[in-house]
Amino acid sequence: ETGVTQTPRHLVMGMTNKKSLKCEQHLGHNAMYWYKQSAKKPLELMFVYNFKEQTENNSVPSRFSPECPNSSHLFLHLHTLQPEDSALYLCASSHNGLAGGPDEQFFGPGTRLTVL
Amino acid sequence: AQKVTQAQTEISVVEKEDVTLDCVYETRDTTYYLFWYKQPPSGELVFLIRRNSFDEQNEISGRYSWNFQKSTSSFNFTITASQVVDSAVYFCALRDTGANSKLTFGKGITLSVRP
Repeated sequence: ETGVTQTPRHLVMGMTNKKSLKCEQHLGHNAMYWYKQSAKKPLELMFVYNFKEQTENNSVPSRFSPECPNSSHLFLHLHTLQPEDSALYLCASSHNGLAGGPDEQFFGPGTRLTVL
Repeated sequence: AQKVTQAQTEISVVEKEDVTLDCVYETRDTTYYLFWYKQPPSGELVFLIRRNSFDEQNEISGRYSWNFQKSTSSFNFTITASQVVDSAVYFCALRDTGANSKLTFGKGITLSVRP
């Protein structure tokens, strides 16, 4: 596997379900990101992890819970979601997400989430 | 605060036409980075280019070219002789170099290239 992979690619869940999204990067990067992409809206940054530590939580509701066990893996645990949470969830990684660098991000294919 | 404006929302062209995607940005920083990404129907954002604020040279890569004009805060992207495979959503993004800098995206431009 190369680049950034995400599983599952599609997920349908009820509002009372608990599910997790998984992201894995094979680029040797130290920073990982979760973004939400809703229809007709700009990409919204949700969380940033640098060297496994969370460095950004962009006022995300607690029903979204990230986990970064190591620099290569990132999870997004979902529980008690609302229909408006339906969106494409994109994971990205970069060499070093801390200040100063050009730091282009490389994205996974996303998980298309539908909340019924 | 950073802001990226992509005023065009949807563009439709016929194959082999040239097309320019506009991007205007706002930042208080003197040092910053600009990016273009392509998002095909598969969903994955593909990195196309990075430009830093000190380098105003235009860049050409095959059929793609970028025009960075600091005076007008614009970083426009031109596709020459467009092809059907160019159909995608294109995002312009900005990252400054502040302590908590993050990548700020525009809303994206949906480009449709018809055969």
